[in-house]
Amino acid sequence: DIQMTQSPSSLSASVGDRVTITCRASQSLGSYLNWYQQKPGKAPKLLIYAASSLQSGVPSRFSGSGSGTDFTLTIGSLLPEDFATYYCQQGYSTPRTFGQGTKVEIK
Amino acid sequence: EVQLVESGGGLVQPGRSLRLSCAASGFTFNSCEMNWVRQAPGKGLEWVSYISSTGSTVYYADSVKGRFTISRDNTKNSLYLQMDSLRAEDTAIYYCAREITVAGSDGFDFWGQGTMVTVSS
Repeated sequence: DIQMTQSPSSLSASVGDRVTITCRASQSLGSYLNWYQQKPGKAPKLLIYAASSLQSGVPSRFSGSGSGTDFTLTIGSLLPEDFATYYCQQGYSTPRTFGQGTKVEIK
Repeated sequence: EVQLVESGGGLVQPGRSLRLSCAASGFTFNSCEMNWVRQAPGKGLEWVSYISSTGSTVYYADSVKGRFTISRDNTKNSLYLQMDSLRAEDTAIYYCAREITVAGSDGFDFWGQGTMVTVSS
């Protein structure tokens, strides 16, 4: 199984900050990496697919980059509604595996 | 509007069974691959099972293989998860999720609201 490791596990940031979350895979994924946002009590929401493509309706302050084993999710300027937990997920093989999550909290 | 509505969760004793359902609407269900993903309380996301659009291909996480069975009824636009021999570690919110493959990457573009399963004596 492909192991996904996110860093950091949590971070504190202020509105307007630029935030970067990293995801590392245990083997090369090409660009088969997706990002999700989950707010408390809600289902996850797809933000980014295929490493860098923005899902329809997702604000452009979200961006993804990377290939192979190292990937990054960037929030360009944090808004209050962006405080949530973010997960990466490899779309390369079954079993689908997720990172452990990164909780973005208000500083 | 795409909607996925799970039902069937509840409190069940260890070793017993439960069947989850997911009612789909707003899209062509019989053309879509579907999955179950779970989340234990306070924990991250864990993929559980996959089923192809026709139901001919299924996959399971090792943690549930041999105990859970995924199925679908395309005439009823419904997805199911039969969970047998339940264990305490199966306690989680169970989400049904539509699979999307874009640029070769398999992901989940729509999720239900989830149904809680609690396994406890």
